[in-house]
Amino acid sequence: RKEVEQDPGPFNVPEGATVAFNCTYSNSASQSFFWYRQDCRKEPKLLMSVYSSGNEDGRFTAQLNRASQYISLLIRDSKLSDSATYLCAVREYGGSQGNLIFGKGTKLSVKP
Amino acid sequence: DAGVIQSPRHEVTEMGQEVTLRCKPISGHDYLFWYRQTMMRGLELLIYFNNNVPIDDSGMPEDRFSAKMPNASFSTLKIQPSEPRDSAVYFCASSSLGYGYTFGSGTRLTVV
Repeated sequence: RKEVEQDPGPFNVPEGATVAFNCTYSNSASQSFFWYRQDCRKEPKLLMSVYSSGNEDGRFTAQLNRASQYISLLIRDSKLSDSATYLCAVREYGGSQGNLIFGKGTKLSVKP
Repeated sequence: DAGVIQSPRHEVTEMGQEVTLRCKPISGHDYLFWYRQTMMRGLELLIYFNNNVPIDDSGMPEDRFSAKMPNASFSTLKIQPSEPRDSAVYFCASSSLGYGYTFGSGTRLTVV
């Protein structure tokens, strides 16, 4: 099975900092890309999809680089409430479905 | 919508016992996924169903694991006999045509 890799962290940053996560994937045929957020002892929740042109949702910006096979998540003006583990997920084949392959996640801790 | 409902939330069992995990997907979702999460391996797909039919069970660790989806609103994951290495959090997720998965709260399984 193809891999999706992330830096496990932890990333420890002060409030207000900008933090970036990268995620690499090995299968060039991958079709769809996502970022999930998982709080401690909770289930993963979809944060945002990642589109080829890049997309932004408030303080969060996601980008895709197909040539280098990585996706990124940028969090600006980080808040204490952003502390969580961020997982990237890749769908490997086309069509409307196909299972998601998850990275192991990057832990973020935002300090006062 | 109540979301994806899993039961039990926690399960502690002795090695060799049978364990049954249950999942009720979101009404109208035609895809159902079973994942297992551990610190070492992260989130791993075990099996997924489309319209109650198993599509890919290549992630099922071995014959001790089995999953069924007798109807659109119910699925089970059974481990028989259970072993300590099966200890993990087991998540069920559902989805409809499109993207984001919705995860249940998970079942935390401890096999002693």
